[in-house]
Amino acid sequence: EPEVTQTPSHQVTQMGQEVILRCVPISNHLYFYWYRQILGQKVEFLVSFYNNEISEKSEIFDDQFSVERPDGSNFTLKIRSTKLEDSAMYFCASRIGLIFGPGTRLTVL
Amino acid sequence: GDSVTQMEGPVTLSEEACLTINCTYTATGYPSLFWYVQYPGEGLQLLLKATKADDKGSNKGFEATYRKETTSFHLEKGSVQVSDSAVYFCALSDDDNFNKFYFGSGTKLNVKP
Repeated sequence: EPEVTQTPSHQVTQMGQEVILRCVPISNHLYFYWYRQILGQKVEFLVSFYNNEISEKSEIFDDQFSVERPDGSNFTLKIRSTKLEDSAMYFCASRIGLIFGPGTRLTVL
Repeated sequence: GDSVTQMEGPVTLSEEACLTINCTYTATGYPSLFWYVQYPGEGLQLLLKATKADDKGSNKGFEATYRKETTSFHLEKGSVQVSDSAVYFCALSDDDNFNKFYFGSGTKLNVKP
């Protein structure tokens, strides 16, 4: 069964550093998403991506965040200068029915 | 705005007990409703869905019925197993293309042997 994969499973970084979280969506899907889950809180929508551009983004997705699909298969989320409050599980998803990857746990020290 | 409210956990049950996890929603249109499950250390998996009023989603013994009159989508299972221990998330999408989801805060279920 096709699945969404994410790397790394856990990323530890220092505050102010840049991180790139990687996702490989299901190959024939066209819509891609990033969601995040701060420990013990709701899963929150960050951004959706279609046809190589952002189709919608939330208030959380400020200028520190960016997404791209550099090579037609990977889908990345970049956080330019991480803050403590960016520590969360980040889930990549692709349609249809919103299939999620296993998540990347980001810890900002 | 659109939102989902689900009962707080944790919910602790003995094996073979009946389960109900309440979920209610607020939406301006006619959303589709979903239950996702998150097993320990894993991502979110779609458990079941219903796309219109009175539809019943079902999977792995779990069921939920889309009730427009009560704006609810309660998750039920007649006999839980230890392997059902997980966090369950109710979610809605009010976009025809399922472009954006709103999740509840999750309910942790612990099933004891």
